Amino acid sequence: QLALNQSPSAAASLGAPVNLTCIVSSGHMLYAIAWHQQRPEKGLRYLMKVFSNGTYSRGDGIPDRFSGSSSGAERFLRISRLRAEDEAEYHCQTWGPGIWVFGGGTKLTVL
Amino acid sequence: EVQLVESGGGLVKPGGSLRLSCAASGFNFNTYGMAWVRQARGKGLEWVASITSSSRYTAYSDSVKGRFTISRDNTKNSLFLQMDSLRAEDAAVYYCARKALTGDAWGNFDSWGQGTLVTVSS
Repeated sequence: QLALNQSPSAAASLGAPVNLTCIVSSGHMLYAIAWHQQRPEKGLRYLMKVFSNGTYSRGDGIPDRFSGSSSGAERFLRISRLRAEDEAEYHCQTWGPGIWVFGGGTKLTVL
Repeated sequence: EVQLVESGGGLVKPGGSLRLSCAASGFNFNTYGMAWVRQARGKGLEWVASITSSSRYTAYSDSVKGRFTISRDNTKNSLFLQMDSLRAEDAAVYYCARKALTGDAWGNFDSWGQGTLVTVSS
């Protein structure tokens, strides 16, 4: 069954880098995912699409501090040089014929 | 600028019905698939339903299949979600989302509305 797994929380210091992880379910290692950011009062924003081969494609207007990568079943969102406004919930999403799936979300705290 | 504006949320009793609307602007609505996604209080995102650009194909999550109906009116740049037989567990913020142009019926969402709150309570 197609599913995504995310850690509920993560934390990193202002100005430091952070990697968030989304794990694709067994049997779906070739699936691409998308990352979305959800900030209070700002709503949801599409960040990028990450492919199983490690390439990624950022959405319009997304700064290059945000990047993506892959390793096996893991899909990563890397944020370099953390800013206060990066404190948010990050959701990964994948899809198949007639189905769309989200991970549980990771709450990122900027220390 | 892409804009998706939901409306129609509110308080409804269990077993009742509600119709959500999403007004789209800033892009060629009739070339994009669309979807509804919900988020219960304190929970993650849950896909609800999707529809292709021409309305030829629709898809529903198991949790709403048979109770909810997604539709669209390309002449009015509008997306709808008819929700019948509502349950307490359907209470959530409902978001309208645009599916990215990927050349097929599936793919990621690339734009979101601000959401409309549905409360199901007696």
